[in-house]
Amino acid sequence: NAGVTQTPKFRILKIGQSMTLQCTQDMNHNYMYWYRQDPGMGLKLIYYSVGAGITDKGEVPNGYNVSRSTTEDFPLRLELAAPSQTSVYFCASRPGQGVAGELFFGEGSRLTVL
Amino acid sequence: DAKTTQPPSMDCAEGRAANLPCNHSTISGNEYVYWYRQIHSQGPQYIIHGLKNNETNEMASLIITEDRKSSTLILPHATLRDTAVYYCIVGTGANNLFFGTGTRLTVIP
Repeated sequence: NAGVTQTPKFRILKIGQSMTLQCTQDMNHNYMYWYRQDPGMGLKLIYYSVGAGITDKGEVPNGYNVSRSTTEDFPLRLELAAPSQTSVYFCASRPGQGVAGELFFGEGSRLTVL
Repeated sequence: DAKTTQPPSMDCAEGRAANLPCNHSTISGNEYVYWYRQIHSQGPQYIIHGLKNNETNEMASLIITEDRKSSTLILPHATLRDTAVYYCIVGTGANNLFFGTGTRLTVIP
């Protein structure tokens, strides 16, 4: 299993541009999450999904959108990028059963907005 | 949501036990204690979790005080590859896990 795969690993955007961070998992996990991590800080939850077709806001959803059309994929859309969105973005997943707080993380996508 | 307090940094000699403390004095009765670590800039890695009892797995041991207001993660024989930021988190599930700034553990040769 590849686990949780994120693309791209690095991206530079200009202010006002839009882009989509891709996340896919091959573990048939129901739950998926997007976090952001600013330099020297902990992770903050942006959006999460408990299954295909269901998404909900986390702590810092403004400026982002998500969709969950399949179990495997959970893309994160940035509209009108701003310098405040410069961060490392992590996607995570977990199965519907088992330990509720045991998340499997991807390797991250490092985004810079100039 | 209950929050945690961890020392910002710790050192540990290679081969010795690393004991990482965490205070969570406002933890609720149904909230678990989770530990994760983040090596360099990689994605966080789940280590262990517990509710009331002490727990052990192949990576670490978790000691939770009887009043549940604090806990200690123990890495029994620290190696250089254990150098990482360790997060102590309390919550009922993944939707309310609060990752603070953690403890930066440096294992010294």
